[in-house]
Amino acid sequence: GAVVSQHPSRVICKSGTSVKIECRSLDFQATTMFWYRQFPKQSLMLMATSNEGSKATYEQGVEKDKFLINHASLTLSTLTVTSAHPEDSSFYICSAATQGMNTEAFFGQGTRLTVV
Amino acid sequence: GENVEQHPSTLSVQEGDSAVIKCTYSDSASNYFPWYKQELGKRPQLIIDIRSNVGEKKDQRIAVTLNKTAKHFSLHITETQPEDSAVYFCAARATGTASKLTFGTGTRLQVML
Repeated sequence: GAVVSQHPSRVICKSGTSVKIECRSLDFQATTMFWYRQFPKQSLMLMATSNEGSKATYEQGVEKDKFLINHASLTLSTLTVTSAHPEDSSFYICSAATQGMNTEAFFGQGTRLTVV
Repeated sequence: GENVEQHPSTLSVQEGDSAVIKCTYSDSASNYFPWYKQELGKRPQLIIDIRSNVGEKKDQRIAVTLNKTAKHFSLHITETQPEDSAVYFCAARATGTASKLTFGTGTRLQVML
C-alpha cells in the first residue's frame, strides 16, 4: 500500500508556543489530506480537509486560526498548532488520498503532542 | 453529514470464541465501509473493508457483513487470539475518491486466556 510519513512522532512543548506537524505521502501524490485528532480512549475526529493549493476546510468547532493547515505541494501537508495549551494535548493523525484512488485511506504514524 | 454508531464500546471474550462488533450509518450515499484495528499509540491499521455492492466479505478469521437497507454493517472475528486484543473502529465514506471517513466510537476488544 501507499506510504504516508508523519513527523514528529512525539513532541513536548511549552504553553504558548507553536508546534508544526508534517505529513508526507512518499510514493504517491496526495491531492487531499485529512487531519484527525484523537483524545485518549476516544475515536478519531476529523479536524480539517486540505486540498493541494487551496484553503483547508475545517470541521465545525475547529478553530482555523489555531490549527493552521498548509498543503502547498502534492506530497506535503502541515498542521501547525499555534499558541498551544495543555488542552491541545492529543494524538494527531493525518491521512492522504488522491484522485482516482478509490481505496483505503493511508494514515501517518500519528503525533503525540503534550503541552506542558 | 454522516453519523456512525458503534456497539459495544467494550467486549471481552475467551480465547477461541467469536467476537462481533456492529455499526450503523446514517448517510445512504455512503458506499465504502472499512474496519480498522488500532493498538495503543499507533496508527489505525485497515483489517478489512467492504463496498456497497457486496453483502459479505471474508478474509481468514475476519468477516464483514453489510445490510444496505438497514444501513448497518458488522465485523466478525472467529477463533479469537490474544493478539486480537485492540481497539476496533468502523468507518463509512460517501462516494467519491477522496471523501472523508467518518469513524465509529470504537470497541475495545479484550481476548482473555
